[in-house]
Amino acid sequence: NAGVTQTPKFRVLKTGQSMTLLCAQDMNHEYMYWYRQDPGMGLRLIHYSVGEGTTAKGEVPDGYNVSRLKKQNFLLGLESAAPSQTSVYFCASSGEGGYGYTFGSGTRLTVV
Amino acid sequence: AQKVTQAQTEISVVEKEDVTLDCVYETRDTTYYLFWYKQPPSGELVFLIRRNSFDEQNEISGRYSWNFQKSTSSFNFTITASQVVDSAVYFCALKVQGGSEKLVFGKGTKLTVNP
Repeated sequence: NAGVTQTPKFRVLKTGQSMTLLCAQDMNHEYMYWYRQDPGMGLRLIHYSVGEGTTAKGEVPDGYNVSRLKKQNFLLGLESAAPSQTSVYFCASSGEGGYGYTFGSGTRLTVV
Repeated sequence: AQKVTQAQTEISVVEKEDVTLDCVYETRDTTYYLFWYKQPPSGELVFLIRRNSFDEQNEISGRYSWNFQKSTSSFNFTITASQVVDSAVYFCALKVQGGSEKLVFGKGTKLTVNP
């Protein structure tokens, strides 16, 4: 039982490049989330999904796009990376009522 | 809107000392859930506890204990007889009933336990 798997674990991008972070869960959870963690800021919600085919903006959505074409996958895209997007990104999933709230191991992204 | 405040940015203690991490939350909802997570230097988020707003009983798990007080909107976490392995960043988080099920996190408290 893998839980929540994030790929890649590390990435270095040049300013202006694009990339996609993949999140996969095998717990049949309806809800999936992308958070970013910056020093002294805690985790802040970027985008989330309440089911297959749905997405919604979180607290800090600018510069990111997401898609949930399959229930088990939640993709986070950066169309034109900026140094301000240097961060650690965490994906999470949960069932109803927040049960089983599970985080991935994180992706450390550096934009130079 | 929901908010979680962890006023202590960093705490440093000597091994075997007791330490309490404070968490104050704000919400207008009557049904909500509170969480604590541990983030060790390796970076992963480790779930510690989930508490719902109707259960104010204190929780004890080994050296860890949690004090939930709705009257002061606080959910404090105490580590008894701290150990070096307790060194980590600890996050308190809040989730309200229904809707997106998203977590609102505090900014975290970095605990350093010195030998």
